[in-house]
Parts: sequence; C-alpha cells; structure tokens
Amino acid sequence: DARVTQTPRHKVTEMGQEVTMRCQPILGHNTVFWYRQTMMQGLELLAYFRNRAPLDDSGMPKDRFSAEMPDATLATLKIQPSEPRDSAVYFCASGFVGLAGYNEQFFGPGTRLTVL
Amino acid sequence: QKEVEQNSGPLSVPEGAIASLNCTYSDRGSQSFFWYRQYSGKSPELIMSIYSNGDKEDGRFTAQLNKASQYVSLLIRDSQPSDSATYLCAVNILRSSNTGKLIFGQGTTLQVKP
Repeated sequence: DARVTQTPRHKVTEMGQEVTMRCQPILGHNTVFWYRQTMMQGLELLAYFRNRAPLDDSGMPKDRFSAEMPDATLATLKIQPSEPRDSAVYFCASGFVGLAGYNEQFFGPGTRLTVL
Repeated sequence: QKEVEQNSGPLSVPEGAIASLNCTYSDRGSQSFFWYRQYSGKSPELIMSIYSNGDKEDGRFTAQLNKASQYVSLLIRDSQPSDSATYLCAVNILRSSNTGKLIFGQGTTLQVKP
C-alpha cells in the first residue's frame, strides 16, 4: 500500500528554534509538493520539486523557510528561526507528472506544528 | 476573482439525499480537475479525477465537468453521515499544466444529518 509518509506527526517548539519536517514520497513519483494549511488561509502551496529539482518556492518566506530534496526518497522542509505565526499543519504530497500531464497528487498525514 | 472558487457552506443534507458540491475556475484552458475529501484533523484524500467534459461515476460519487461554463461538480448519492467532511476542488490550470501544480479552492463543508 503505497503512501506518502511524514515525520514528525506533531511538533511543539519554542519561538526561535529550528524545525525540520521530513517527507518520503511514493516510490516512482517524480513530483513532490509542500503545503501549509491553516483555518484562515486554507491550503497554501509553499514549494515543489520535479525529479528532485526545485520548480517553484515562491510560496515560502525565504528568509526563514528552506526546502530540499537530498534524494528521491526524502524531501525536507526547514524553518529557522520558527515564529508563532508558523503554527499550522504542513502537508507533503507526491505525484507523477508525465507527458500526458495527468497529475494526481497524494497527500501525507501531515505534521502539526505548534510554535509557542 | 479567485482562480478556483467554492461555496464554503456548510451544506447540510439529510441522510440518503443527494449532495451537490460545485466549483468554478477562472482559467479557460485548465486541463485536469480533482476532488479531495478532508475529514477534520486528517489530510486531503483524492476521491475523483476528471479530465474530459461530461460525467464520471465511481460508486456513489459522480464528477461532472463543463469546460465551456468553467465549472466542475461532485454529486454524492445516498449521502451517509460518514460523508460529512470538507470537499476540496483542485484544478491544474493551463499555465501550470506541465508542472503538476494544482490550485485548490477553499473547500465546502458537507454535513449529512441522520
């Protein structure tokens, strides 16, 4: 049963601390997305990768957020330093985009981040 | 105008009724369309994909696409209390068609009352 996995599932930290979230996409998928969801803003796209190369990270506050994909089985999202306004659920999603353009995305369980 | 718009609801229907969820999009060249279901505290789950005009049925779910009118809808027949969730419409707009990027609506909350 292929699934996107994310760790940690919950994270409580203090303002100013570094937070690292990890995602393992579904094997064979070539595109990975990072989203943030809050009640006020809904689902926001932060960054995404194709074949491990960043395609767009314009949705991220670049001064504190960074996203990388060190290998095909791991994507990371880091926040340094974290702020209370970063409190949200962060989702990773993966999909396969080929020549036909079909692009279903499958979401991981999310990391619920609370910054005190 | 938002790129993908949904009525936030809540949409309340009695058990056994048909629930109709609607979504409009602004980019006429949009290529592919998706419905996700999200239970409270859970992640979005893909339930329907549709790429061509017309209807696509999967069990109690029917997705309808009308590209000329730029809307996509989701019908849920014989609604059950377990269908109570937020339904997100997602569209792969033309300018992002080769990247896989989806634009999500704000979601419609469905309540099915026993």
